[in-house]
Amino acid sequence: AQKVTQAQTEISVVEKEDVTLDCVYETRDTTYYLFWYKQPPSGELVFLIRRNSFDEQNEISGRYSWNFQKSTSSFNFTITASQVVDSAVYFCALSETTDSWGKLQFGAGTQVVVTP
Amino acid sequence: ETGVTQTPRHLVMGMTNKKSLKCEQHLGHNAMYWYKQSAKKPLELMFVYSLEERVENNSVPSRFSPECPNSSHLFLHLHTLQPEDSALYLCASSQDYGGSTDTQYFGPGTRLTVL
Repeated sequence: AQKVTQAQTEISVVEKEDVTLDCVYETRDTTYYLFWYKQPPSGELVFLIRRNSFDEQNEISGRYSWNFQKSTSSFNFTITASQVVDSAVYFCALSETTDSWGKLQFGAGTQVVVTP
Repeated sequence: ETGVTQTPRHLVMGMTNKKSLKCEQHLGHNAMYWYKQSAKKPLELMFVYSLEERVENNSVPSRFSPECPNSSHLFLHLHTLQPEDSALYLCASSQDYGGSTDTQYFGPGTRLTVL
């Protein structure tokens, strides 16, 4: 069963608009880790952020911000004032501590298209 | 040098060919991974190596054969592949094995086409 759901397949915005990507996860672990990766057209997966299950403090890093809510099992990601270079596929991933092999479980990804 | 490099970036092969994908990490990490990314499917973990020992083989067909001669290098040997094996193959590394807590850093991938 899919443990990470990214319901949005594609989001298209015009430059300078904000865009929020949804991620819903499922786990029975009390300790787990959530990640966001970006995959530009070049193919490389670029690490953006890691958050552990005990830290619900939301974070802002430049134009990126994350909203982690355990009560709704969501870990959403927002790009503020989007730019063309933000065009990429964004993946949310879950790592459960019952699986000691560092297995990342990825969502299907959300394609973000930013047009000038 | 960038963190994780992969060669070749693109590969076209026939079903009877034998080829190898190479991954090298310059991060001093102890664990390395192979993933397969097919169109319309989530990333699939194929193999995990820690300190040059294979610790995960995720039900991958034997036509894919990994090799990890040292903690910096990882190979994926390919033989008698099928057209459905066409995909982007991504290599990753993390500081330690057994670390579901460790962040994995990815290479740029090898785009494989099997004719």
